[in-house]
Amino acid sequence: DTAVSQTPKYLVTQMGNDKSIKCEQNLGHDTMYWYKQDSKKFLKIMFSYNNKELIINETVPNRFSPKSPDKAHLNLHINSLELGDSAVYFCASSQEVQGGIAYGYTFGSGTRLTVV
Amino acid sequence: DQQVKQNSPSLSVQEGRISILNCDYTNSMFDYFLWYKKYPAEGPTFLISISSIKDKNEDGRFTVFLNKSAKHLSLHIVPSQPGDSAVYFCAASAGAGNMLTFGGGTRLMVKP
Repeated sequence: DTAVSQTPKYLVTQMGNDKSIKCEQNLGHDTMYWYKQDSKKFLKIMFSYNNKELIINETVPNRFSPKSPDKAHLNLHINSLELGDSAVYFCASSQEVQGGIAYGYTFGSGTRLTVV
Repeated sequence: DQQVKQNSPSLSVQEGRISILNCDYTNSMFDYFLWYKKYPAEGPTFLISISSIKDKNEDGRFTVFLNKSAKHLSLHIVPSQPGDSAVYFCAASAGAGNMLTFGGGTRLMVKP
């Protein structure tokens, strides 16, 4: 059973298109995230979302928008794709700390987006 | 401005020897640190963590050491195995449940 699943795994699209990447977690976690791995392999937070709050990294262009139909899903919608959006995007989830014990994040396997 | 840095992009070690991966951070608010392991075409998987109240945490072949005064942590793998070959990410947060800031990763290659 895949704990955090992302689809599609690969996405090739032309500049100017609008695309979505889907993410689902079956762990019952409270919080979900989108990370972007850039060409230098850094994982940068884009969004975090739980049923209470959406936190947006202020460096993320507003062409990117997270959409959460329910607690188990956090999809990433991208408008007017640009060449610089090419990267690997990781979805992740985590459970709020309980009793001072943290469990870290569970990541999806990534979506490689190529904008041509 | 990188708050978490892994200055060695790659490391090559012979099987059976010790692998030491290093990580430095600048944010003094960070008090929780994690190591992730990532194979190609897969997402990072959680490996081991340490909070700032400790200076060492051990789990099997993996040990993480934290030097708060130097703002430095390291991951030791003993003995190294070829299956350990992967990219290792260091991550930190201010508070165990808060968002993580990742380093750039170190690619470990364990030679048979």
